[in-house]
Amino acid sequence: NAGVTQTPKFQVLKTGQSMTLQCAQDMNHEYMSWYRQDPGMGLRLIHYSVGAGITDQGEVPNGYNVSRSTTEDFPLRLLSAAPSQTSVYFCASTDRGNTIYFGEGSWLTVV
Amino acid sequence: TQLLEQSPQFLSIQEGENLTVYCNSSSVFSSLQWYRQEPGEGPVLLVTVVTGGEVKKLKRLTFQFGDARKDSSLHITAAQPGDTGLYLCAGASGGYQKVTFGTGTKLQVIP
Repeated sequence: NAGVTQTPKFQVLKTGQSMTLQCAQDMNHEYMSWYRQDPGMGLRLIHYSVGAGITDQGEVPNGYNVSRSTTEDFPLRLLSAAPSQTSVYFCASTDRGNTIYFGEGSWLTVV
Repeated sequence: TQLLEQSPQFLSIQEGENLTVYCNSSSVFSSLQWYRQEPGEGPVLLVTVVTGGEVKKLKRLTFQFGDARKDSSLHITAAQPGDTGLYLCAGASGGYQKVTFGTGTKLQVIP
């Protein structure tokens, strides 16, 4: 069972570079989201989507863009990477019972 | 912004000991979830509690939702090394996007 798949697992970027974190789910969930996890701060919501073609901002959206062209895919774009975006990123999808299924995480370092 | 404070932040105990982790907020939640996250992986749901005063047991883990639905606790009996990980509580109110994660409790069980 694939569940939520995100790539890459590890990435090092230079300040100012852009990149896209890919995320796909095979559970046909309408709701998908991106979180970042930083020490002592728990998981913070970046962007979310309630279905194909619909996205909205979460708690910490600045510096990130998302799109949802299909139910399965929800990529996260860093427009111009900054050291403050060094973090672990988790893509997630949520079922109708409000259970959140997370991907394995993407470790991003911005130098 | 709803805040969920977890305590303690870190806990290192010997195998066989008991422990309790607390999750507190000033906000009321419609449900409260507990997740466990192992190094290098995404969080995985352990339990969801929805009724004030509800107690759920999962083998050696006992979860309780406060009567006022503002707090929760996780009690582990006779901890095992396999219980090592980061425990996160998450409160939900008003639908998918209204999930707030706690700051996390990092548990280490020493054999």
